[in-house]
Amino acid sequence: EIVLTQSPATLSLSPGERATLSCRASQSVSSYLMWYQQKAGQAPRLLIYDASNRATGIPARFSGSGSGTDFTLTISSLEPEDFAVYYCQQRFIWPPLTFGGGTKVEIK
Amino acid sequence: EVQLLESGGGLVQPGGSLRLSCAASGFTFSSYAMSWVRQAPGKGLEWVSGIGGSGGSTYYADSVKGRFTLSRDNSKNTLYLQLNSLRAEDTAIYYCAKTMVQGVSHPYYFDYWGQGTLVTVSS
Repeated sequence: EIVLTQSPATLSLSPGERATLSCRASQSVSSYLMWYQQKAGQAPRLLIYDASNRATGIPARFSGSGSGTDFTLTISSLEPEDFAVYYCQQRFIWPPLTFGGGTKVEIK
Repeated sequence: EVQLLESGGGLVQPGGSLRLSCAASGFTFSSYAMSWVRQAPGKGLEWVSGIGGSGGSTYYADSVKGRFTLSRDNSKNTLYLQLNSLRAEDTAIYYCAKTMVQGVSHPYYFDYWGQGTLVTVSS
């Protein structure tokens, strides 16, 4: 089973700042890495698929990069609605599909 | 508009059973693989099970294999998850999720999610 480790666990930033979230895989997942956003009390929302492709309707301030074992989600300038928990997910080796433990982006 | 509406959650004793349902609308249900993903209270996401569009292929996490059974009725646009031999660690919100890619039997990744149904396993 591929283990995804997200860091940091919590990121404290102000609106307008740049957020950089990391996801590291226990072995290569090629480019088959996804990012989701989850707000309190809501279902997750797909942001990025296959490392760098924005899902439909996702603003351009969200971008993904990386391949192999190291991936990054960047939010170029945080909007108030971006404060949430972010999860990565791999689909390269499965079952099972696996998720990271999440990074909470909170208001500083 | 794509909609996924889960139902069937509730309080059940350890060792008990439940059947979850997910009613889908707004897309050609039989063309898409579907999955269940759960989230224990205050915890992260865990993929539980997936099924191909025709229902011929099913996949399970080791934590539920042999206890949970996933099926679908494409004539009713409904996904089902039968939960047997429930344990306290199965307590979670269970989300129904649609695979984004059309025509594949694998779960891949999820562009639409329901709002979830809460399963609580406790005596």
